[in-house]
Amino acid sequence: GESVGLHLPTLSVQEGDNSIINCAYSNSASDYFIWYKQESGKGPQFIIDIRSNMDKRQGQRVTVLLNKTVKHLSLQIAATQPGDSAVYFCAEKGNRGNDMRFGAGTRLTVKP
Amino acid sequence: EPEVTQTPSHQVTQMGQEVILRCVPISNHLYFYWYRQILGQKVEFLVSFYNNEISEKSEIFDDQFSVERPDGSNFTLKIRSTKLEDSAMYFCASTGLVSGNQPQHFGDGTRLSIL
Repeated sequence: GESVGLHLPTLSVQEGDNSIINCAYSNSASDYFIWYKQESGKGPQFIIDIRSNMDKRQGQRVTVLLNKTVKHLSLQIAATQPGDSAVYFCAEKGNRGNDMRFGAGTRLTVKP
Repeated sequence: EPEVTQTPSHQVTQMGQEVILRCVPISNHLYFYWYRQILGQKVEFLVSFYNNEISEKSEIFDDQFSVERPDGSNFTLKIRSTKLEDSAMYFCASTGLVSGNQPQHFGDGTRLSIL
């Protein structure tokens, strides 16, 4: 079936290094994707989004890359900080039209 | 910055009882959502709501669930006759535009524990 999933459940990086979190999706009709950050005890927090007519979008210290050929989404975090430690979810707009379908999440741990 | 607020933060209920989870979406938003996250699992869509009616719902949103916007600010999720497997975090979200392709903004959730 169609799904949004992640390649790795955990990622550990050194403070100051760059982080790359990956996500695979299987619905080729998806036209909108979001990366969310979820800290312990909190709801998903919007980080960055991208529409399917783009292949790259940059924010502050974050970049999202979309490869529609292989249905792959990635989140790059530059100069990772301890405050970046959280679970990161990719989400795609679902078939129903307005729901978001979430992947399983990657836990990012930043070591000082 | 405007935010979605949810109450209570933690709700403990006996199995079989009814529970109402409350949300105040961002004030100028038009679309409202409920999601569920069972411990350690991914966030799952339950229902979306627009113009005082359900616009989409998932397979999870069966007859024991209902949503309501009783006034101009609150958006509620009611679970009738709760079951043990209803234990989860429940997140409310809202977005401003009628059509998609706008980020949904989430509250910090209500942890529902069914005993």
